[in-house]
Amino acid sequence: GENVEQHPSTLSVQEGDSAVIKCTYSDSASNYFPWYKQELGKRPQLIIDIRSNVGEKKDQRIAVTLNKTAKHFSLHITETQPEDSAVYFCAANDYKLSFGAGTTVTVRA
Amino acid sequence: EAQVTQNPRYLITVTGKKLTVTCSQNMNHEYMSWYRQDPGLGLRQIYYSMNVEVTDKGDVPEGYKVSRKEKRNFPLILESPSPNQTSLYFCASSPRRDSYNEQFFGPGTRLTVL
Repeated sequence: GENVEQHPSTLSVQEGDSAVIKCTYSDSASNYFPWYKQELGKRPQLIIDIRSNVGEKKDQRIAVTLNKTAKHFSLHITETQPEDSAVYFCAANDYKLSFGAGTTVTVRA
Repeated sequence: EAQVTQNPRYLITVTGKKLTVTCSQNMNHEYMSWYRQDPGLGLRQIYYSMNVEVTDKGDVPEGYKVSRKEKRNFPLILESPSPNQTSLYFCASSPRRDSYNEQFFGPGTRLTVL
């Protein structure tokens, strides 16, 4: 089955700086890569996703890049704000969705 | 309001006492799934269902059962709970018969097994 590794496990950034979270996956058949954000005490919610026929996708301050050859994908958050503080999960889908262990992002004011 | 609901939200029980966590969605979604969330392990899939009467094991199915008799409901059953099943559980649904699109999560059920 798919194995997704996510780094770093915690990330502290100054407000206004950028944050980058990286994930690797093991199954070359995976072709769908979503990112979920989970605020404290809340449910996970999709923030952006990318499919294997696309190398990069952007939505306002959030972007995701995918390198299928190297089997890794990354989440980039620019101009971070306090409301970006949360746990972020990457995931990869071959025929089942497998999640990474999560990254706790803290944005310092 | 389109939503996924779970009940109960919090449950404390004892080892061996059968319990059911209900999950219901009102979006006419085909795909439903159960996950457990543990610190440092992320979200791990327990079971999923692509259609009524169709269920399959996820990554951590041991000790759990599910059923999908109706499209909207997907209960999670613990026949004989043990302390290692203490966790935060999420139900999720998705519009198509696969997981290649957005999963809509329920609010979560925090289960403690003593």
